[in-house]
Amino acid sequence: KAGVTQTPRYLIKTRGQQVTLSCSPISGHRSVSWYQQTPGQGLQFLFEYFSETQRNKGNFPGRFSGRQFSNSRSEMNVSTLELGDSALYLCASSLVLPQETQYFGPGTRLLVL
Amino acid sequence: AQKVTQAQTEISVVEKEDVTLDCVYETRDTTYYLFWYKQPPSGELVFLIRRNSFDEQNEISGRYSWNFQKSTSSFNFTITASQVVDSAVYFCALSEFDRGSTLGRLYFGRGTQLTVWP
Repeated sequence: KAGVTQTPRYLIKTRGQQVTLSCSPISGHRSVSWYQQTPGQGLQFLFEYFSETQRNKGNFPGRFSGRQFSNSRSEMNVSTLELGDSALYLCASSLVLPQETQYFGPGTRLLVL
Repeated sequence: AQKVTQAQTEISVVEKEDVTLDCVYETRDTTYYLFWYKQPPSGELVFLIRRNSFDEQNEISGRYSWNFQKSTSSFNFTITASQVVDSAVYFCALSEFDRGSTLGRLYFGRGTQLTVWP
């Protein structure tokens, strides 16, 4: 069974631009969560989606948004990029409940210049 | 307040040594889950183990073993006879179940960088 896939793997943007990251969960998994990893703040929860609905959201500004499609694929968008948004963005999927094991993708490394 | 504390930032050992990675957690929930993940340089978090709060049995999987003690809120991870391939950052994480407001959220520790020298 294929794992969680994320595209693109690497991205370079400039301040003020916006970016969209994509995540395809493991087949049959319906819950998708997103995390941001930075050296300063560590791994932080962004949001979680199930059945196209956001069930939970972390403490991030409104510039960070996401959505989930009917096939469980998810996208996250960051508008008006800031230097501090440079990070590794990780997507994780689980069957139904996020308390179940979350399996992570390889991440998207975003560099904002 | 940090919900998951991994006090060891970096650990270096020589191959074949045993090493224990510490994890202390904090929660008021009676139902919760604890996890360990491994992050090699490639960046992907690799799942190692999941434990629920009602199962305090220690677990062994090959060279890996985990010691869960609710009395001390600890969930430590031991690698026996370490190998160079074990070099990675290891994260302990907590998922709370009782409160819907944090549904879906994994709280991670800051990680422990393990380096195993040949």
